[in-house]
Amino acid sequence: KAGVTQTPRYLIKTRGQQVTLSCSPISGHRSVSWYQQTPGQGLQFLFEYFSETQRNKGNFPGRFSGRQFSNSRSEMNVSTLELGDSALYLCASRITGGQGDTQYFGPGTRLTVL
Amino acid sequence: AQSVTQPDIHITVSEGASLELRCNYSYGATPYLFWYVQSPGQGLQLLLKYFSGDTLVQGIKGFEAEFKRSQSSFNLRKPSVHWSDAAEYFCAVGDDYKLSFGAGTTVTVRA
Repeated sequence: KAGVTQTPRYLIKTRGQQVTLSCSPISGHRSVSWYQQTPGQGLQFLFEYFSETQRNKGNFPGRFSGRQFSNSRSEMNVSTLELGDSALYLCASRITGGQGDTQYFGPGTRLTVL
Repeated sequence: AQSVTQPDIHITVSEGASLELRCNYSYGATPYLFWYVQSPGQGLQLLLKYFSGDTLVQGIKGFEAEFKRSQSSFNLRKPSVHWSDAAEYFCAVGDDYKLSFGAGTTVTVRA
């Protein structure tokens, strides 16, 4: 079974631009979560989608948004990019999103904001 | 709120030596605990997980972890380290909808 895939793997943007990242979960997995990883803040939860609905959201500004499609694929969007948005963005999928479900991570998208 | 502490930022170990990475958690109920490993430029790979039952959990790549409720710990161990084990290791606790991660421990393996 194929793992979680994320595209693109690398992105370079300038301040003020917007960016869209894509995540394809493991087949059969309906929950997709997004995390931001930075050297200073570590791994932080952004949001989770399940059956096309955002179920939970972390403590991030409204510039960070996402959506999930009927095939469970998910996208996240960051508008009006800031230098501090430079990070590795990780997507994780799990079967239903229950507490005991294991989250499987993709390779990440490395975003650099200049 | 749940939290995870990994006291060691960086550990250096000789190839063939044993390795132990510490993890302490704070969680009100029975925790769901995970260890993930991240190689440079890569995502997170699950090493092992604890939900309930036997407190000694076996994982991939020869790793094991022991859950100790009295000490709120979930330490990761490997009897003999290989050069390919050089990576960053994250302990995490799962709540209803997300994982809360520790800051990570970077492991360097010297020949």
